[in-house]
This record gives sequence, C-alpha cells and structure tokens, in this order.
Amino acid sequence: DAMVIQNPRYQVTQFGKPVTLSCSQTLNHNVMYWYQQKSSQAPKLLFHYYDKDFNNEADTPDNFQSRRPNTSFCFLDIRSPGLGDAAMYLCATSRSTGSYNEQFFGPGTRLTVL
Amino acid sequence: GDSVTQMEGPVTLSEEAFLTINCTYTATGYPSLFWYVQYPGEGLQLLLKATKADDKGSNKGFEATYRKETTSFHLEKGSVQVSDSAVYFCALIENSNTGKLIFGQGTTLQVKP
Repeated sequence: DAMVIQNPRYQVTQFGKPVTLSCSQTLNHNVMYWYQQKSSQAPKLLFHYYDKDFNNEADTPDNFQSRRPNTSFCFLDIRSPGLGDAAMYLCATSRSTGSYNEQFFGPGTRLTVL
Repeated sequence: GDSVTQMEGPVTLSEEAFLTINCTYTATGYPSLFWYVQYPGEGLQLLLKATKADDKGSNKGFEATYRKETTSFHLEKGSVQVSDSAVYFCALIENSNTGKLIFGQGTTLQVKP
C-alpha cells in the first residue's frame, strides 16, 4: 500500500545533541511537510518542500533544518535540541499545495530530549 | 491571521449517543475546511472536508457542513461507537500557495460502552 513512513517512531536524544528524523513516501507526491505537535496542542507547520523548493515558516527556529535528497525522502535535522523541542514530529505529503489536495500523514516520531 | 477554535474536551459519551464537536474559524479569504482524526499512537487521518460554502463533507457516519454565515464547521455523528474514541482536529487551508494546514487545538472524544 502507498504510504508515508517515519523512522524512528520514538527518538531519545540528549540536550544539545544533533538528531535527524526521517520521512519517506511511496505516493510519489510533489509536496512534503513537517509539522511539530507538542503535547495536547495542535500540529504546527515548520516547513515544506515543493519538489526541491524549500519553504520555511517565518517563526520556525533556525535550530530546525530540512533536506530532501529525492522525491521519496525528507529529513528533519535538529541541530541542538532543547527541552522545548520535545514533541511529536509529523511528516505529511500531498500531490500539490492547492487546498483541494489531501495531505497524507505518517505515524509521527515522538522526540524526547533529556 | 487565520485561526481555528474548537470546543474544549474531553468529551465523554456513551455508545450510540449523538456527537457534536463545535468548530469555528477566522480567515481573510475563502478557506477549505477539514476534520482530521488521530487515534492513539497514530498520525492524523483525513476524516472529511468541504471546499466551499454550504458543502457538506461526510465519511464513516460523520458529517460537517461549511457555514460561511456563522464561520463554522461543526462535526456531527448520529450514533458513536467505542472505536470512535480519538482526538479530532478541525483545520483549514486558506493559502493554496503553501497548502499550510492551520489546526484547532483538538478535542478528545471518549466513548464508553
């Protein structure tokens, strides 16, 4: 089945130690999104790629970076995780950015910062 | 900026009860509206959507109608099941250049047998 896969499902890192989260998709979608969802809060968009074009949200901290080496994969890099970065990180894909396009979400990676 | 407001939870119902989860929005244009559901330990799944005023989205017994005059998109189901227990998010996309979803804070539904 076509799907969005996130690895790992659970990630524990230490304060200040860089961490990379992975997302892959078999849907061949053009757009990939990263959302951050803190406990009991709504998901919040960090950035997205349309093909190779990177689009950062204005309030996304510089500590967060992303890479999309090919259509299938997208990575979220947190350069120096702080305690406030502990959250669920959700990857989503869609065929295009238009509002008619459904976004398909992965199961998420829960990040713990010690 | 655009925003979505949902009724606070948790909402606790008995099986076969009627469900309403209120959602209102603020947007400068004409957004598309969505309900997503998140089951424990899983990612978000699209439940239903509506892209213009007076549209009704429906899926799995859930319904919501896009009401422009009241800027609302309330979720309803006539008879809930234990398996409907989850967190429900109302969301909108206003800017089709980005496809950015703006979510409400989520409403936890617990259905008891």
